[in-house]
Amino acid sequence: DIQMTQSPSSLSASVGDRVTITCRASQNINKYLNWYEQKQGKAPKVLIYAASSLQSGVSSRFSGSGSGTDFTLTISSLQPEDFATYYCQQSYRTPWTFGQGTKVEIK
Amino acid sequence: QVHLQESGPGLVKPSETLSLTCTVSGGAVSSGSYYWSWIRQSPGKGLEWIANIYFSGSTNYTNYNPSFKSQVTISVDKSKNHFSLKLSSVTAADTAVYFCARGDYDVLTAYYYPPDYWGQGTLVTVSS
Repeated sequence: DIQMTQSPSSLSASVGDRVTITCRASQNINKYLNWYEQKQGKAPKVLIYAASSLQSGVSSRFSGSGSGTDFTLTISSLQPEDFATYYCQQSYRTPWTFGQGTKVEIK
Repeated sequence: QVHLQESGPGLVKPSETLSLTCTVSGGAVSSGSYYWSWIRQSPGKGLEWIANIYFSGSTNYTNYNPSFKSQVTISVDKSKNHFSLKLSSVTAADTAVYFCARGDYDVLTAYYYPPDYWGQGTLVTVSS
């Protein structure tokens, strides 16, 4: 299986901060990388697909970059509604696998 | 408006079979434009993809997570517009919130877009 490793596991930030989360794959996954946001008690919501494509309806303050094994999710200016847990997921090869999550908390 | 809703028992005994159904409204499960997934989430293992199913013509295609070996079956009932998950010989490790989800599938490129419609999730506890 392809292992997905996110860092950090958690972070504290303030409204207006620029936030960066990284995701590393255990092997080359080209650009088959998706990012999700999950709030407590809710299903995950897709933010970014194919490493850098913004899902329809998602705020442009979210952006993704990377290819191969190293990827980044950036929130350009953190908003109150962005405090949540973020997951990366590879769809290059089954079984699809997820990172362990990054919890973004209020500083 | 697409809506997915999981249903099934919230408590299953060890060694028994977990059976869940996802009822779909606002779209046909037989559409070749979409795939249908089961994904679960537990404190111990995080998010875990279980299986996908999609249709091409009159044939359905399935993909399973090998971690579940032969325990798992995903199926579709077109007449009821729902799809189902069966997980046999469950243990306490199968206690999780189970989500059903739908994603777009591009037949030409064989590209699976990430699931963009999800059910609310249903907690299944395995305990005697």
